[in-house]
Amino acid sequence: NAGVTQTPKFQVLKTGQSMTLQCAQDMNHNSMYWYRQDPGMGLRLIYYSASEGTTDKGEVPNGYNVSRLNKREFSLRLESAAPSQTSVYFCASMTVYNEQFFGPGTRLTVL
Amino acid sequence: AQSVAQPEDQVNVAEGNPLTVKCTYSVSGNPYLFWYVQYPNRGLQFLLKYITGDNLVKGSYGFEAEFNKSQTSFHLKKPSALVSDSALYFCAVRSLNDYKLSFGAGTTVTVRA
Repeated sequence: NAGVTQTPKFQVLKTGQSMTLQCAQDMNHNSMYWYRQDPGMGLRLIYYSASEGTTDKGEVPNGYNVSRLNKREFSLRLESAAPSQTSVYFCASMTVYNEQFFGPGTRLTVL
Repeated sequence: AQSVAQPEDQVNVAEGNPLTVKCTYSVSGNPYLFWYVQYPNRGLQFLLKYITGDNLVKGSYGFEAEFNKSQTSFHLKKPSALVSDSALYFCAVRSLNDYKLSFGAGTTVTVRA
């Protein structure tokens, strides 16, 4: 039982490049989330998926897209990376008891 | 809109002393309240939650939190802090009918030996 896994762990992009962050959970949770963490700002919700087949915008969705590929996987795509997207990205899934389990994070730098 | 305020960026305590990390919230309707802890270069870990019932909730590692509806607060407490409790702590809130969780900015706790 690996919990929530994220790939890659680290990534450096140039402005304008695209990439997809992958997230998978093996706990059979319905809800999944993408957050970004910036110093002094806590975690901000980018997108979430309440259940397979649905996605909704969070607090800071601009510049991102998501895909809920199946119940296990929820990916986050940056179509044209900008320096303002330099951050640590966390994926999470939520139990029916409202507890969120977080992945180890992806540290992204956009030059 | 829902929001969380953690008024202290940092809390410093001596080992063995009580630890309190403050949190106030704003949400429509009844709140679901949570505390998470983050150790360096790690994801967040769930500590405890308030959904309904007893205002004092107990969680992992000896932590507890008290829900105060009139003051819209959910302060995290530990009677006797350990050096290993040094970490970044986040308070979070969501409303009953919403899947979105809103986090505070976090409070860095340092426990000195």
